[in-house]
Amino acid sequence: GAGVSQSPSNKVTEKGKDVELRCDPISGHTALYWYRQSLGQGLEFLIYFQGNSAPDKSGLPSDRFSAERTGGSVSTLTIQRTQQEDSAVYLCASSLQGWGQYFGPGTRLTVT
Amino acid sequence: KQEVTQIPAALSVPEGENLVLNCSFTDSAIYNLQWFRQDPGKGLTSLLLIQSSQREQTSGRLNASLDKSSGRSTLYIAASQPGDSATYLCAVKNSGGSNYKLTFGKGTLLTVNP
Repeated sequence: GAGVSQSPSNKVTEKGKDVELRCDPISGHTALYWYRQSLGQGLEFLIYFQGNSAPDKSGLPSDRFSAERTGGSVSTLTIQRTQQEDSAVYLCASSLQGWGQYFGPGTRLTVT
Repeated sequence: KQEVTQIPAALSVPEGENLVLNCSFTDSAIYNLQWFRQDPGKGLTSLLLIQSSQREQTSGRLNASLDKSSGRSTLYIAASQPGDSATYLCAVKNSGGSNYKLTFGKGTLLTVNP
């Protein structure tokens, strides 16, 4: 079956612009996660959605970051007023609750 | 706060060699531990997942062990091949509380030379 998909695969934007990153999880997976991988850093947890529960947003680095998950499926991560330090690979993962996470290919964001 | 460390940061070996990658974690109260592979410019591919009650998992030429009490895991790769070249990441999921987050190490960059 299809894995986790993300779009776009690459995004170059100017400082100060808003960007939206999309994640399509594996069908039937109730949990969805966003992570960020910056150059030279490990993967950093951003946000977690589980079913209809309130998301855990504790990993979002600033109020410029937000995410939503519509209909328990597709998720969008929005970064407002992008800064150069936002440049990173943004990875989405999904899972059945309590099981291993399956990752998408990521979106490489470059803020110029 | 859980911290995950991977040693070495980089490893270069000739083809055919057996090798071990190391992962250590500071909080032994884990739910499971997962080893991933990441190719350049790609996402993560799950290799092995070890539940906290397990000691090891095997898949083909890969064997992962877990010693929860000492906070260590190893990934053993037998008869390495150039296609094994990638970054290997270790991640732990804590038990209790926010037991859905994965805490990752920074990875080991493996190069297998033909």
